[in-house]
Amino acid sequence: EDKVVQSPLSLVVHEGDTVTLNCSYEVTNFRSLLWYKQEKKAPTFLFMLTSSGIEKKSGRLSSILDKKELSSILNITATQTGDSAIYLCAVLPQGGSEKLVFGKGTKLTVNP
Amino acid sequence: DAGITQSPRHKVTETGTPVTLRCHQTENHRYMYWYRQDPGHGLRLIHYSYGVKDTDKGEVSDGYSVSRSKTEDFLLTLESATSSQTSVYFCAISEKVNTGELFFGEGSRLTVL
Repeated sequence: EDKVVQSPLSLVVHEGDTVTLNCSYEVTNFRSLLWYKQEKKAPTFLFMLTSSGIEKKSGRLSSILDKKELSSILNITATQTGDSAIYLCAVLPQGGSEKLVFGKGTKLTVNP
Repeated sequence: DAGITQSPRHKVTETGTPVTLRCHQTENHRYMYWYRQDPGHGLRLIHYSYGVKDTDKGEVSDGYSVSRSKTEDFLLTLESATSSQTSVYFCAISEKVNTGELFFGEGSRLTVL
C-alpha cells in the first residue's frame, strides 16, 4: 500500500525563523511528489518534483527531492504570519491514473 | 482561481438519509475528483472521473457513488449516510494527466447525526 508520512505534525515558530518540513514516502512506482498549502479552506498547489526536477524554489519557499532516501523537504525562510497553514505532501504513482496519495500534513503556526 | 463551486457548503443530516454533494466547474477540465479530509487521516480519494461517464474508485469508495453526465458537473452520493461519513469533502479538478496539479473547491462540511 502506498504511504506518505510527514513530520512534524505540528510546528510553532516565530516570525523570521526558518523551518524545514519533512515528507517520506513508500510508493510502488514513483512518478512525482507534490507540495500543497492549505490555509483555511482549499489546498493550493506549491511545487511538483520529479526525477528530472528535484529542486524547486519560489520566493522564500524551496523544496528538494531525495529519490535515494525516498523523501522530500520543504524549506521556508524568514517566515511570516501568512505562512501559517497546513502543508500537505502528496505522491503521484505511475500507472496512468491521477490517484494522489496524501500525507496527514504539517500544521505550521507562525507567531508575530 | 479555478472556477469550482461546491454545494451545499454545509449540511447536517441524519443517519440513513441520502445525501448528494455537487461539484460544478467552469474550466472545462477533463479530470474531477472527490476527496474527504478527516483529522488524523489527511486527504483521501473517494472517486475520480477522467471524462463524462468515466469514473473510477479511490481508496475510500465504500458507501459512496458518483456520476458525471456533463463535463462541468461531478456528483457524489451517499446512499444512506452514516456517522463515519461526517467529514469535509473536497472536489478537485485537473486539466492534464500526469501532473498531480489539482485545483480544489472550497469544501463541503457534512455532519451525519
